[in-house]
Amino acid sequence: EAQVTQNPRYLITVTGKKLTVTCSQNMNHEYMSWYRQDPGLGLRQIYYSMNVEVTDKGDVPEGYKVSRKEKRNFPLILESPSPNQTSLYFCASNMGGRADTGELFFGEGSRLTVL
Amino acid sequence: DQQVKQNSPSLSVQEGRISILNCDYTNSMFDYFLWYKKYPAEGPTFLISISSIKDKNEDGRFTVFLNKSAKHLSLHIVPSQPGDSAVYFCAARGRYSGAGSYQLTFGKGTKLSVIP
Repeated sequence: EAQVTQNPRYLITVTGKKLTVTCSQNMNHEYMSWYRQDPGLGLRQIYYSMNVEVTDKGDVPEGYKVSRKEKRNFPLILESPSPNQTSLYFCASNMGGRADTGELFFGEGSRLTVL
Repeated sequence: DQQVKQNSPSLSVQEGRISILNCDYTNSMFDYFLWYKKYPAEGPTFLISISSIKDKNEDGRFTVFLNKSAKHLSLHIVPSQPGDSAVYFCAARGRYSGAGSYQLTFGKGTKLSVIP
């Protein structure tokens, strides 16, 4: 089954404790991206990656890091989480390239609470 | 500056009636528009899209209309069903980044409730 898998789905942590949210896709997609969803703000892009070792900032990258060492994986790293990073996070992917229509395949989301 | 606007945070419609969700955009460089549907505790899923060279695209009960001169698009659901109750996000495809991807700009979403 084609899917984007995120872990953990739910996490409560404390300020400053480093955490990683993993994302893996099994569709051989070139493009992967992280979004956060907040009430009244919709979906905002954090980082994206066009291919292995190629990443770039989205609209709200502050406080986050990413890496793309393998095509299928795109982890989101919070080095020192703060309460304003409490949010619902989505990983997404698609084939990318000029033929891409923009249709993204999303994971089920990871709800993060930073105390 | 919010380039994709969904001005109605919520909408309630009776089952069997038409649901109309609206979306406005400001960037005339957007060339492709998409609607995503999101249920609670799930990720958004692609619903329907339209190219800027068209003014209408239909897929079953779902139709998207695009008015380029007004920079406005709408999603019509006819007839509405309780299972359509979800948050609907409008998205617009923007510039090609050169690194090999297009960027999507999302609206804030409209929560549709279809009342049985």
